[in-house]
Amino acid sequence: ILNVEQSPQSLHVQEGDSTNFTCSFPSSNFYALHWYRWETAKSPEALFVMTLNGDEKKKGRISATLNTKEGYSYLYIKGSQPEDSATYLCASEGAAGNKLTFGGGTRVLVKP
Amino acid sequence: EPEVTQTPSHQVTQMGQEVILRCVPISNHLYFYWYRQILGQKVEFLVSFYNNEISEKSEIFDDQFSVERPDGSNFTLKIRSTKLEDSAMYFCASSRDRGTNEQYFGPGTRLTVT
Repeated sequence: ILNVEQSPQSLHVQEGDSTNFTCSFPSSNFYALHWYRWETAKSPEALFVMTLNGDEKKKGRISATLNTKEGYSYLYIKGSQPEDSATYLCASEGAAGNKLTFGGGTRVLVKP
Repeated sequence: EPEVTQTPSHQVTQMGQEVILRCVPISNHLYFYWYRQILGQKVEFLVSFYNNEISEKSEIFDDQFSVERPDGSNFTLKIRSTKLEDSAMYFCASSRDRGTNEQYFGPGTRLTVT
């Protein structure tokens, strides 16, 4: 059974500051790691899908790294803006089975 | 930009009633999924569907649940006899293919069972 954990559960960031948070997942039976950005009352938005150890992906001011050997991924937000306020979800996909196992999310609030 | 849509956005039903939650996946996608999130808990997988049959299901997905793709566009989740503990946000998702493809999520249907 996959157990995906995210920390912290929530964080407050001052506008303009950079921040990062963690997703940990079992490294055995790993296939891919997905990151989503989820605003209230909207669809979770796919940010990244990462598969290879050492992978780094970037989308605007948001980037992510992946360590499959130790089972963690970091998501970074550079120069946070109020529109970055959302819950960031990670999900592990095991052995190309399609089923995603989600962490509990990190709720980010960017204060102007 | 293509998106997954779900109807209704909110459904209230009485315990024991049947509900059907509807989804329209992205048109060229081949894999379809249902997930749910009970308030305060993690998003959890229910079922995946490919080529008109279930490809994987979780232990939550018991005989009370069924899925169907009745035509070329809709994908439905039916709960035969709802229980209080079925109250949750239900998400539909679709992906073009297996593996490293993103799963695109709909906005969810909030089901409240009273």
